[in-house]
Amino acid sequence: DAGVIQSPRHEVTEMGQEVTLRCKPISGHDYLFWYRQTMMRGLELLIYFNNNVPIDDSGMPEDRFSAKMPNASFSTLKIQPSEPRDSAVYFCASSPGAHYGYTFGSGTRLTVV
Amino acid sequence: DQQVKQNSPSLSVQEGRISILNCDYTNSMFDYFLWYKKYPAEGPTFLISISSIKDKNEDGRFTVFLNKSAKHLSLHIVPSQPGDSAVYFCAASGVSGNTGKLIFGQGTTLQVKP
Repeated sequence: DAGVIQSPRHEVTEMGQEVTLRCKPISGHDYLFWYRQTMMRGLELLIYFNNNVPIDDSGMPEDRFSAKMPNASFSTLKIQPSEPRDSAVYFCASSPGAHYGYTFGSGTRLTVV
Repeated sequence: DQQVKQNSPSLSVQEGRISILNCDYTNSMFDYFLWYKKYPAEGPTFLISISSIKDKNEDGRFTVFLNKSAKHLSLHIVPSQPGDSAVYFCAASGVSGNTGKLIFGQGTTLQVKP
């Protein structure tokens, strides 16, 4: 398996533009997580899915953020409109279940100017 | 409210010496703890874990200690090697039932000097 695949690796966009981050989890993993890494808060959970269903989105900072998982092999995190404070590294991770740990993707470094 | 805290942003040790990374948590319902290691431009990778029914777990040069009464865990690396230089995150799970949701700390950057 190629692991968790995220795209793009880097994204630079202007304030106000829509940004879409993509993730392909490991086949057979029932859980998918979106995290954001910042210096102040470390790895911050934004939302997670179980069997394609959103379970907890309490970490999504604002209505500007939305996430979908239309099928078991694909998820998107969308920011519309983007703001400079959204600049961070966004990670997607998948897991077969509790206590198995996560496999992370390589992340998307987002810069909003 | 930070439920998992790593109060030391950075740590520097000499090659061959012991590295001790610390982590505190506030929620006594956590029942499983993990350490992840992250190199620049890569995603975090799993390093070692411990269940709340244990107080120690060892894997080669890495040992995790859990003190439930103090709500504290630590990661010991002996001997430290330059390749261990990375950001280390501790994580905890179990509050929301068996969901696999992990709460991470802020991370500690370890530098091992040759």
